[in-house]
Amino acid sequence: SAVISQKPSRDICQRGTSLTIQCQVDSQVTMMFWYRQQPGQSLTLIATANQGSEATYESGFVIDKFPISRPNLTFSTLTVSNMSPEDSSIYLCSAGGGEDTQYFGPGTRLTVL
Amino acid sequence: AQRVTQPEKLLSVFKGAPVELKCNYSYSGSPELFWYVQYSRQRLQLLLRHISRESIKGFTADLNKGETSFHLKKPFAQEEDSAMYYCALRGYQKVTFGTGTKLQVIP
Repeated sequence: SAVISQKPSRDICQRGTSLTIQCQVDSQVTMMFWYRQQPGQSLTLIATANQGSEATYESGFVIDKFPISRPNLTFSTLTVSNMSPEDSSIYLCSAGGGEDTQYFGPGTRLTVL
Repeated sequence: AQRVTQPEKLLSVFKGAPVELKCNYSYSGSPELFWYVQYSRQRLQLLLRHISRESIKGFTADLNKGETSFHLKKPFAQEEDSAMYYCALRGYQKVTFGTGTKLQVIP
């Protein structure tokens, strides 16, 4: 199994600013993902964080808005840039997948004023 | 495209009653289906996956390719089963989640 931690657990930010969320896994994993869960809605995949190369973004998400880094097999960051109230959401890091079980972090609750 | 549909936002049952959480999917290939659960104030966690054909906490789910369904069932609901349940499909190297069903077990 994999234990995933995220920082910060929550934040309140002003419109127009950016926030970087960190995700740490306690073991090396091949796949890491970032999801968004807006109030009352399901999880939506933002992107797959690829180690050593650019992230793979899903339709509707772009690198300029959600830049992602993955410098090694245990760590990734997601930045929410130029935030607006519509970005208020829970952002979840996930690891595993492929042939492995997918594990989730505790989430980062973001509120944009 | 892959899609997962959970038609019920909320399902309330009495303790001891049978539970069925519905999940239908759309996927052109051979799907891999999962049920995830999120208890209050806890993180999302895997409950079961169809390829394991196992029973976890009394829950089972059978993949019905003819009906493209993967309903989650338990014969006798317990209060501790109250949680959000998400059906998920893995295909094309990504996982798609349904909108979730909140199960409320009434004592």
